[in-house]
Amino acid sequence: LAKTTQPISMDSYEGQEVNITCSHNNIATNDYITWYQQFPSQGPRFIIQGYKTKVTNEVASLFIPADRKSSTLSLPRVSLSDTAVYYCLVGDRNAGNNRKLIWGLGTSLAVNP
Amino acid sequence: DSGVTQTPKHLITATGQRVTLRCSPRSGDLSVYWYQQSLDQGLQFLIQYYNGEERAKGNILERFSAQQFPDLHSELNLSSLELGDSALYFCASSPGQGRGEQFFGPGTRLTVL
Repeated sequence: LAKTTQPISMDSYEGQEVNITCSHNNIATNDYITWYQQFPSQGPRFIIQGYKTKVTNEVASLFIPADRKSSTLSLPRVSLSDTAVYYCLVGDRNAGNNRKLIWGLGTSLAVNP
Repeated sequence: DSGVTQTPKHLITATGQRVTLRCSPRSGDLSVYWYQQSLDQGLQFLIQYYNGEERAKGNILERFSAQQFPDLHSELNLSSLELGDSALYFCASSPGQGRGEQFFGPGTRLTVL
């Protein structure tokens, strides 16, 4: 059962690049890595998903090394509105029976002026 | 707006009572997921339904049950409520059975007094 480990919190300043790394040592061959963002009292929002190497979209990049035992979410030039909790999630894209989705506590990112 | 709706937004009840939370998925989505998020806690996956059938089960208590109806809306029933059941309950939906991207509703805040 895949489990993720992330830093509990991070601090940054406006305009900086923020990299949040997630460890998932027992990731399965067919597991994908997905990142979500959550603001207080709101449901999480999908940011990005990847399987290997690098994925980029309009808001973030996801770097996945060859062994896939970790991944790094990169947020370019953060702003105050990026202050949120970020969750790393691994899971089988073609979920088998009784698959559990383990989210963990996430990383609380604080962006300062 | 994710397209997922949840009712009610807030619910206050007493210990020992039973409540029903309702979720309508995005148009076309066949999977519905239920999550519990207690204060300062990560998301706890409860259960997933796909096209009316239970698909995956998480740490859902025996006092809790859920179902997905033919019109694809879902209900989460919580009975014999305890103080510790106070939490935000999120519903999410996705098009397929186990895709990484889930779309979350605004949540129902349950307070058990």
